[in-house]
Amino acid sequence: NAGVMQNPRHLVRRRGQEARLRCSPMKGHSHVYWYRQLPEEGLKFMVYLQKENIIDESGMPKERFSAEFPKEGPSILRIQQVVRGDSAAYFCASSPPRGGRSYNEQFFGPGTRLTVL
Amino acid sequence: QQQVKQSPQSLIVQKGGISIINCAYENTAFDYFPWYQQFPGKGPALLIAIRPDVSEKKEGRFTISFNKSAKQFSLHIMDSQPGDSATYFCAASRGDNYGQNFVFGPGTRLSVLP
Repeated sequence: NAGVMQNPRHLVRRRGQEARLRCSPMKGHSHVYWYRQLPEEGLKFMVYLQKENIIDESGMPKERFSAEFPKEGPSILRIQQVVRGDSAAYFCASSPPRGGRSYNEQFFGPGTRLTVL
Repeated sequence: QQQVKQSPQSLIVQKGGISIINCAYENTAFDYFPWYQQFPGKGPALLIAIRPDVSEKKEGRFTISFNKSAKQFSLHIMDSQPGDSATYFCAASRGDNYGQNFVFGPGTRLSVLP
């Protein structure tokens, strides 16, 4: 039973380029969360998605950042025109459908480490 | 109201000792409190979690103590081992409103000396 998968694991971009981060949730999970972790800091919530719907994007910067979770395929976090301050580890987590014992649990992927030169 | 405070920032413990990490929250709507363990370069891994209907939960060497009136909870690692050296994050979420995001503490870097 594969866990949450993220790719790429490492991504280097120059200022002004676009970064695309992908996340495949655990099998059977339909809820995806994105978090950002700056060096030596905790994780900060960015966005919560279900298939084809953004449920909560209160943690997303208003500009340049977008996320989607299409009916087919992985969830994508897209950062346009990256700046050095975007350099961080981006983690995706998934959770099972409501009603099970573990519906609150979020399982994290290994993260994508974005470096902006 | 959304903040979760965590202390200490770093902790050094001798092998075999007890590691204690404390967290506090303000939002009384929180009712699910997990602890995550993170090794360098890895994603956080769920260690143990508690809901406020119990005051303590134990899984192996790991125990969560929960004080609802004080809005505090703590992680105790008994018989700490060098392999426990990692960063530990407490978190909180609203379990009644499924799917709410986690609010994480800033983390505690634990070092267990051999």
